[in-house]
Amino acid sequence: EVQLVESGGGLVKPGGSLRLSCAASGFTFSSYSMNWVRQAPGKGLEWVSSISSSSSYIYYADSVKGRFTISRDNAKNSLYLQMNSLRAEDTAVYYCARDRLGESLDYWGQGTLVTVSS
Amino acid sequence: SSELTQDPAVSVALGQTVRITCQGDSLRSYYASWYQQKPGQAPVLVIYGKNNRPSGIPDRFSGSSSGNTASLTITGAQAEDEADYYCNSRDSSGNHPWVFGGGTKLTVL
Repeated sequence: EVQLVESGGGLVKPGGSLRLSCAASGFTFSSYSMNWVRQAPGKGLEWVSSISSSSSYIYYADSVKGRFTISRDNAKNSLYLQMNSLRAEDTAVYYCARDRLGESLDYWGQGTLVTVSS
Repeated sequence: SSELTQDPAVSVALGQTVRITCQGDSLRSYYASWYQQKPGQAPVLVIYGKNNRPSGIPDRFSGSSSGNTASLTITGAQAEDEADYYCNSRDSSGNHPWVFGGGTKLTVL
């Protein structure tokens, strides 16, 4: 069974940093591109960042470029999102999602809440 | 980057058929995927590709596409189908891998 479990969310002050993790199981993690998608309270889904299976290709939404860094450790079946210079508008539930051959995001974690507030 | 546009809200009578649409230039090049999200839960993929359903998704869910518009059709809507529905596709602008629609809240009356 495919499972994605996010962790690392919490309350952080504006300008602070946080590192999210996503632990994957039930599939060959090293064969799939992975993504972070976020959802601000009461709002829609927003794609944040993608990383290819071997970390060769990395993409960011304009809203987080230069502040967030996506990475992965295929030996540990884990995906990460390092978030720096956090702003109030980064407050959201952050989901990791598996990329199904560039066609869809077929499995999602349960999400981890990041709250940026003083 | 490309944009995908959805109607904010749609309603359907119990047992009737409803179509939820998604418009955007990227849909001329890529198929849309559709996700169902219920309150407090993570999104669930319901349709991908030309018209494919993941295992466990009822066959009352179907997808179609024409030009710059993709559609999700629920034939015989059930109370449990009340949820937010999001479309997404590859971003044809080439700047980003993915783009999402703003979501449609489906109410089953």
